[in-house]
Amino acid sequence: GAGVSQSPRYKVAKRGQDVALRCDPISGHVSLFWYQQALGQGPEFLTYFQNEAQLDKSGLPSDRFFAERPEGSVSTLKIQRTQQEDSAVYLCASSLGGDVGNTIYFGEGSWLTVV
Amino acid sequence: SQKIEQNSEALNIQEGKTATLTCNYTNYSPAYLQWYRQDPGRGPVFLLLIRENEKEKRKERLKVTFDTTLKQSLFHITASQPADSATYLCALSRSGTYKYIFGTGTRLKVLA
Repeated sequence: GAGVSQSPRYKVAKRGQDVALRCDPISGHVSLFWYQQALGQGPEFLTYFQNEAQLDKSGLPSDRFFAERPEGSVSTLKIQRTQQEDSAVYLCASSLGGDVGNTIYFGEGSWLTVV
Repeated sequence: SQKIEQNSEALNIQEGKTATLTCNYTNYSPAYLQWYRQDPGRGPVFLLLIRENEKEKRKERLKVTFDTTLKQSLFHITASQPADSATYLCALSRSGTYKYIFGTGTRLKVLA
Protein backbone atom coordinates (compact mmCIF):
# COMPACT_ATOMS: atom_id res chain seq x y z
CA GLY A 1 0.00 0.00 0.00
CA ALA A 2 0.99 3.59 -0.46
CA GLY A 3 0.22 4.79 3.07
CA VAL A 4 1.48 4.20 6.59
CA SER A 5 0.30 0.82 7.78
CA GLN A 6 -0.19 -0.11 11.43
CA SER A 7 -1.01 -3.42 13.07
CA PRO A 8 -2.88 -4.60 14.94
CA ARG A 9 -5.68 -2.10 14.45
CA TYR A 10 -7.30 -3.17 17.70
CA LYS A 11 -5.73 -4.82 20.71
CA VAL A 12 -7.27 -5.76 24.03
CA ALA A 13 -4.67 -6.61 26.65
CA LYS A 14 -5.04 -7.77 30.20
CA ARG A 15 -3.33 -5.56 32.75
CA GLY A 16 0.25 -6.69 33.15
CA GLN A 17 0.51 -8.15 29.65
CA ASP A 18 3.17 -7.00 27.17
CA VAL A 19 2.07 -5.64 23.78
CA ALA A 20 3.89 -4.86 20.54
CA LEU A 21 2.54 -2.45 17.96
CA ARG A 22 3.95 -2.44 14.44
CA CYS A 23 4.34 0.39 11.97
CA ASP A 24 5.21 0.13 8.28
CA PRO A 25 6.03 3.66 7.08
CA ILE A 26 5.83 4.86 3.52
CA SER A 27 8.75 3.38 1.60
CA GLY A 28 11.77 5.66 1.55
CA HIS A 29 10.58 7.91 4.37
CA VAL A 30 13.45 8.94 6.61
CA SER A 31 11.47 10.20 9.57
CA LEU A 32 9.16 8.12 11.73
CA PHE A 33 7.09 9.31 14.68
CA TRP A 34 4.98 7.66 17.34
CA TYR A 35 2.17 9.61 18.95
CA GLN A 36 -0.35 8.66 21.63
CA GLN A 37 -3.90 9.96 21.41
CA ALA A 38 -6.37 9.69 24.28
CA LEU A 39 -10.08 10.01 23.63
CA GLY A 40 -11.08 13.59 22.89
CA GLN A 41 -7.48 14.82 22.93
CA GLY A 42 -4.91 15.71 20.34
CA PRO A 43 -1.97 13.41 19.56
CA GLU A 44 0.90 13.58 22.05
CA PHE A 45 4.47 13.02 20.90
CA LEU A 46 6.17 9.86 22.11
CA THR A 47 9.32 9.34 20.08
CA TYR A 48 11.09 10.14 16.81
CA PHE A 49 13.41 8.18 14.52
CA GLN A 50 15.55 9.42 11.69
CA ASN A 51 16.36 6.26 9.77
CA GLU A 52 17.37 3.76 12.45
CA ALA A 53 18.51 6.38 14.97
CA GLN A 54 16.12 7.24 17.77
CA LEU A 55 16.80 10.95 18.11
CA ASP A 56 14.16 11.78 20.67
CA LYS A 57 12.33 9.60 23.17
CA SER A 58 11.39 12.36 25.54
CA GLY A 59 7.66 11.68 25.22
CA LEU A 60 7.73 8.05 26.30
CA PRO A 61 5.68 8.03 29.53
CA SER A 62 7.76 5.49 31.44
CA ASP A 63 10.48 2.91 31.06
CA ARG A 64 7.75 0.39 30.26
CA PHE A 65 7.60 1.96 26.79
CA PHE A 66 10.24 1.05 24.25
CA ALA A 67 10.49 1.73 20.51
CA GLU A 68 12.85 0.50 17.86
CA ARG A 69 13.47 0.81 14.14
CA PRO A 70 16.46 -1.47 13.61
CA GLU A 71 16.78 -1.27 9.81
CA GLY A 72 15.42 2.20 9.29
CA SER A 73 12.07 1.10 7.95
CA VAL A 74 9.57 -0.89 10.06
CA SER A 75 9.19 0.26 13.66
CA THR A 76 7.80 -1.45 16.72
CA LEU A 77 6.44 0.21 19.85
CA LYS A 78 6.52 -2.14 22.81
CA ILE A 79 4.68 -1.61 26.07
CA GLN A 80 5.61 -3.85 28.96
CA ARG A 81 3.35 -4.70 31.90
CA THR A 82 0.45 -2.69 30.48
CA GLN A 83 -1.61 -0.53 32.80
CA GLN A 84 -5.13 0.81 32.33
CA GLU A 85 -3.80 4.33 31.75
CA ASP A 86 -2.00 2.99 28.66
CA SER A 87 -5.38 2.61 26.92
CA ALA A 88 -5.26 4.97 23.94
CA VAL A 89 -4.76 5.10 20.20
CA TYR A 90 -1.12 4.81 19.18
CA LEU A 91 -0.45 6.64 15.94
CA CYS A 92 2.56 6.14 13.73
CA ALA A 93 3.54 8.76 11.17
CA SER A 94 6.30 9.17 8.62
CA SER A 95 7.74 11.91 6.46
CA LEU A 96 10.14 11.94 3.56
CA GLY A 97 12.85 14.14 4.98
CA GLY A 98 14.32 14.97 8.34
CA ASP A 99 13.18 18.56 8.30
CA VAL A 100 10.07 19.71 10.12
CA GLY A 101 8.70 21.41 7.00
CA ASN A 102 7.90 18.06 5.39
CA THR A 103 4.37 16.71 5.14
CA ILE A 104 3.66 14.11 7.81
CA TYR A 105 1.55 11.08 6.91
CA PHE A 106 -0.28 9.28 9.69
CA GLY A 107 -1.44 5.70 9.87
CA GLU A 108 -4.91 4.76 11.06
CA GLY A 109 -3.62 3.94 14.52
CA SER A 110 -3.55 0.96 16.84
CA TRP A 111 -6.35 1.08 19.39
CA LEU A 112 -5.16 -0.37 22.69
CA THR A 113 -7.58 -1.20 25.48
CA VAL A 114 -6.14 -2.51 28.74
CA VAL A 115 -8.65 -4.36 30.92
CA SER B 1 4.64 25.75 29.84
CA GLN B 2 3.67 25.86 26.18
CA LYS B 3 -0.01 25.65 25.45
CA ILE B 4 -2.11 25.30 22.31
CA GLU B 5 -5.80 26.11 22.55
CA GLN B 6 -8.52 25.24 20.11
CA ASN B 7 -12.25 25.66 20.61
CA SER B 8 -13.17 22.72 22.78
CA GLU B 9 -16.85 23.04 21.94
CA ALA B 10 -18.15 21.74 18.66
CA LEU B 11 -18.84 24.23 15.91
CA ASN B 12 -22.11 23.79 14.01
CA ILE B 13 -22.65 25.76 10.82
CA GLN B 14 -25.06 25.71 7.94
CA GLU B 15 -24.03 24.25 4.60
CA GLY B 16 -22.65 26.86 2.23
CA LYS B 17 -21.38 29.15 5.01
CA THR B 18 -17.74 29.75 5.88
CA ALA B 19 -16.43 27.85 8.89
CA THR B 20 -13.70 29.56 10.91
CA LEU B 21 -11.65 27.63 13.43
CA THR B 22 -9.16 29.18 15.84
CA CYS B 23 -5.81 27.99 17.15
CA ASN B 24 -4.15 30.08 19.88
CA TYR B 25 -0.82 29.37 21.48
CA THR B 26 1.21 30.67 24.41
CA ASN B 27 4.80 30.33 25.58
CA TYR B 28 5.86 29.13 22.16
CA SER B 29 7.48 30.57 19.03
CA PRO B 30 6.59 28.27 16.19
CA ALA B 31 8.24 28.41 12.82
CA TYR B 32 5.70 26.08 11.25
CA LEU B 33 2.02 25.52 11.79
CA GLN B 34 0.00 22.72 10.28
CA TRP B 35 -3.70 21.93 10.10
CA TYR B 36 -5.02 18.39 10.00
CA ARG B 37 -8.42 16.78 9.54
CA GLN B 38 -9.32 13.74 11.63
CA ASP B 39 -12.40 11.61 11.10
CA PRO B 40 -13.69 9.28 13.85
CA GLY B 41 -11.56 6.15 14.11
CA ARG B 42 -9.03 7.39 11.57
CA GLY B 43 -5.58 8.96 11.69
CA PRO B 44 -5.06 12.70 11.10
CA VAL B 45 -4.77 13.78 7.48
CA PHE B 46 -2.50 16.71 6.57
CA LEU B 47 -4.25 19.71 5.01
CA LEU B 48 -2.01 22.77 5.01
CA LEU B 49 1.33 23.99 6.31
CA ILE B 50 2.12 27.67 6.86
CA ARG B 51 5.49 29.12 7.83
CA GLU B 52 6.08 31.97 10.29
CA ASN B 53 7.01 34.38 7.50
CA GLU B 54 3.78 33.65 5.61
CA LYS B 55 0.64 35.53 6.51
CA GLU B 56 -1.82 33.44 4.54
CA LYS B 57 -2.02 30.19 2.60
CA ARG B 58 -4.81 28.88 0.40
CA LYS B 59 -5.72 25.52 -1.05
CA GLU B 60 -9.00 25.14 -2.89
CA ARG B 61 -11.75 26.02 -0.34
CA LEU B 62 -9.28 26.19 2.55
CA LYS B 63 -7.48 29.25 3.86
CA VAL B 64 -5.07 29.51 6.77
CA THR B 65 -3.73 32.67 8.38
CA PHE B 66 -0.84 32.89 10.82
CA ASP B 67 -0.40 35.93 13.05
CA THR B 68 2.75 35.58 15.15
CA THR B 69 2.00 38.83 16.98
CA LEU B 70 -1.41 37.66 18.14
CA LYS B 71 -0.06 34.11 18.49
CA GLN B 72 -3.02 32.84 16.53
CA SER B 73 -3.92 30.90 13.41
CA LEU B 74 -7.32 30.94 11.76
CA PHE B 75 -8.51 28.13 9.53
CA HIS B 76 -11.34 28.87 7.11
CA ILE B 77 -13.43 26.50 5.01
CA THR B 78 -15.50 28.39 2.47
CA ALA B 79 -18.72 27.04 0.91
CA SER B 80 -18.77 24.35 3.59
CA GLN B 81 -20.34 20.97 2.87
CA PRO B 82 -21.61 18.19 5.16
CA ALA B 83 -18.59 16.15 4.02
CA ASP B 84 -16.36 18.72 5.76
CA SER B 85 -17.72 17.54 9.12
CA ALA B 86 -14.74 16.25 11.12
CA THR B 87 -12.33 17.24 13.88
CA TYR B 88 -9.66 19.73 12.85
CA LEU B 89 -6.31 19.79 14.64
CA CYS B 90 -3.62 22.44 14.59
CA ALA B 91 0.00 21.50 15.23
CA LEU B 92 3.06 23.69 15.83
CA SER B 93 6.77 23.16 15.51
CA ARG B 94 9.92 25.20 15.98
CA SER B 95 12.60 25.62 13.36
CA GLY B 96 15.42 23.09 13.59
CA THR B 97 13.26 20.49 15.26
CA TYR B 98 11.08 17.70 13.99
CA LYS B 99 8.48 17.51 16.77
CA TYR B 100 4.98 18.85 16.26
CA ILE B 101 2.83 19.71 19.25
CA PHE B 102 -0.89 19.27 18.67
CA GLY B 103 -3.92 21.08 19.97
CA THR B 104 -6.94 19.15 21.23
CA GLY B 105 -8.91 19.79 18.04
CA THR B 106 -12.24 21.38 17.21
CA ARG B 107 -15.16 19.28 16.03
CA LEU B 108 -16.94 20.84 13.07
CA LYS B 109 -20.42 19.80 11.98
CA VAL B 110 -21.84 21.18 8.75
CA LEU B 111 -25.61 20.95 8.69
CA ALA B 112 -27.42 20.24 5.40
